[in-house]
Amino acid sequence: EDKVVQSPLSLVVHEGDTVTLNCSYEVTNFRSLLWYKQEKKAPTFLFMLTSSGIEKKSGRLSSILDKKELFSILNITATQTGDSAIYLCAFHRGASKIIFGSGTRLSIRP
Amino acid sequence: DGGITQSPKYLFRKEGQNVTLSCEQNLNHDAMYWYRQDPGQGLRLIYYSQIVNDFQKGDIAEGYSVSREKKESFPLTVTSAQKNPTAFYLCASTTGTGETLAKNIQYFGAGTRLSVL
Repeated sequence: EDKVVQSPLSLVVHEGDTVTLNCSYEVTNFRSLLWYKQEKKAPTFLFMLTSSGIEKKSGRLSSILDKKELFSILNITATQTGDSAIYLCAFHRGASKIIFGSGTRLSIRP
Repeated sequence: DGGITQSPKYLFRKEGQNVTLSCEQNLNHDAMYWYRQDPGQGLRLIYYSQIVNDFQKGDIAEGYSVSREKKESFPLTVTSAQKNPTAFYLCASTTGTGETLAKNIQYFGAGTRLSVL
């Protein structure tokens, strides 16, 4: 059975800290891995990863995929209070099926 | 502005009642999806539709029904058969499906929170 496991489930850090969020998966027919940020309501797209070892970067956020070890990490440097959100990892396995993990709830304290 | 509109934002259901959640998109996207999100859990797929007049069951379709009569609209009905409907419901769309990976990036509406009276 396909599954996505995110860790930790929740994390509280101080503003300015660097955090690493983890996503491991067991899937058949892997096509891509996606990261989303969910603040209040609608998740918003962050990254799509398809190839191992190639870092995707957007400002203070970066992500990388390891297809051999079946995991991905999302790094956030110099965290700000606006980074507080639930971060969702998902994989696309083809045939329009996207499987989501349970998310990591990140809280940034001023 | 282009986007996905879900309504209402909050909805209350009485026991034995069917309720319908609206999802409209003006992005000209082909595929649309409904997810359910419970506290501490990720998104679980209820139904999805790749094209007008066609839809497929997701992982938790029991107690729900959908229709796709127009490209821009994908309403979800929570029937009385769904015994635990309290959750946050999210609608999403993608430009397309299949092997072009960028077409499978999902764009989400703001959600509807359904509670049982």
